[in-house]
Amino acid sequence: DGGITQSPKYLFRKEGQNVTLSCEQNLNHDAMYWYRQDPGQGLRLIYYSQIVNDFQKGDIAEGYSVSREKKESFPLTVTSAQKNPTAFYLCASSIVASKSTDTQYFGPGTRLTVL
Amino acid sequence: AQKVTQAQTEISVVEKEDVTLDCVYETRDTTYYLFWYKQPPSGELVFLIRRNSFDEQNEISGRYSWNFQKSTSSFNFTITASQVVDSAVYFCALSEAMDSSYKLIFGSGTRLLVRP
Repeated sequence: DGGITQSPKYLFRKEGQNVTLSCEQNLNHDAMYWYRQDPGQGLRLIYYSQIVNDFQKGDIAEGYSVSREKKESFPLTVTSAQKNPTAFYLCASSIVASKSTDTQYFGPGTRLTVL
Repeated sequence: AQKVTQAQTEISVVEKEDVTLDCVYETRDTTYYLFWYKQPPSGELVFLIRRNSFDEQNEISGRYSWNFQKSTSSFNFTITASQVVDSAVYFCALSEAMDSSYKLIFGSGTRLLVRP
């Protein structure tokens, strides 16, 4: 089945630790995205990647880092510099990022809690 | 700046009632796309519809229908004969150009509760 997988589903982090959230897609999409969702709010863009080995900051990139070494993988690292990391993180992909027509498809999300 | 407003934070209806979720947007672009997504309790966002700014025809898909009115910058979503499985958070989104790419601007979502 084609789709987007995220792991883990739940993640607990102690303050001061870096953690990495996994996102994998087998849809052969060029573009991938990371969003953050806080309770009662919409999604906000953290980082996006249009192609392998390339990525750009979104609206709230501070305290986060990404890599795109393979087309199907776009891991997100939440660093200790992120002051309020507790949130629900959603990964998405689209065929390309350069067309406004392209629909973004989402993974099941990772809920991160800082203890 | 582009903006999407979903003024209804939460709606509660009884099963089989019709319900409309409102979405109002702001954009300077002449060409743009609007989207609706459903987020069930599991958390994953499920794509429902995409509509371009040149197509103001209403769309119907089963119990779902969408009313796009450019004159009022609205893209409302109606569920007819609601069912318990429709309970979810629904997001309206607008595509916005950024550099050589596009991103989605999301509204804050409307939580729909359908009671048996």
